[in-house]
Amino acid sequence: DQQVKQNSPSLSVQEGRISILNCDYTNSMFDYFLWYKKYPAEGPTFLISISSIKDKNEDGRFTVFLNKSAKHLSLHIVPSQPGDSAVYFCAASDSGTYKYIFGTGTRLKVLA
Amino acid sequence: KAGVTQTPRYLIKTRGQQVTLSCSPISGHRSVSWYQQTPGQGLQFLFEYFSETQRNKGNFPGRFSGRQFSNSRSEMNVSTLELGDSALYLCASSPEQGGIQYFGAGTRLSVL
Repeated sequence: DQQVKQNSPSLSVQEGRISILNCDYTNSMFDYFLWYKKYPAEGPTFLISISSIKDKNEDGRFTVFLNKSAKHLSLHIVPSQPGDSAVYFCAASDSGTYKYIFGTGTRLKVLA
Repeated sequence: KAGVTQTPRYLIKTRGQQVTLSCSPISGHRSVSWYQQTPGQGLQFLFEYFSETQRNKGNFPGRFSGRQFSNSRSEMNVSTLELGDSALYLCASSPEQGGIQYFGAGTRLSVL
């Protein structure tokens, strides 16, 4: 039972354009969400988070949107840069268990 | 501040053997979580330790076990290795339960 889904295994975007990575979840108890970026041979690196009391959080080029009614979150990267090419994971947890559930990842390729 | 350190980085074992992986969290972090990453499966949660106690457990067989020491360092043990245990094992630490998790580079285990 995959509670956190990233339905697009890969995405290609031109440099300078917007990258939109999507994540869906099924557990309505999830109240904290994170995005991580992973380069080959490295561990995931934290990018940005959002709690369920907000619907948007921004940090530089990265913005996360949360739609609780649709159980959907998205990560926007503007403008996209070649160095953003990596695998992106979304993760969700509920404050009752503190257990993080990760999606299967989306491989982003930013074309120069 | 030093990051999360995992040793060894690479391991090759044969079926039936056992293995112990080590994780040193960021100084001051008390929560340590372990994940298994295989192609197409994302990060699968193994277990979480906080203050030397296992607080959460994923859906893995009893062959997978762990512990945490008083200095927050953690070890993960897999007994009676199977071919399907070949994966990247990631450790993550956070200051408290439910906080942002910071990952190590992982230990890549190959079972032959």
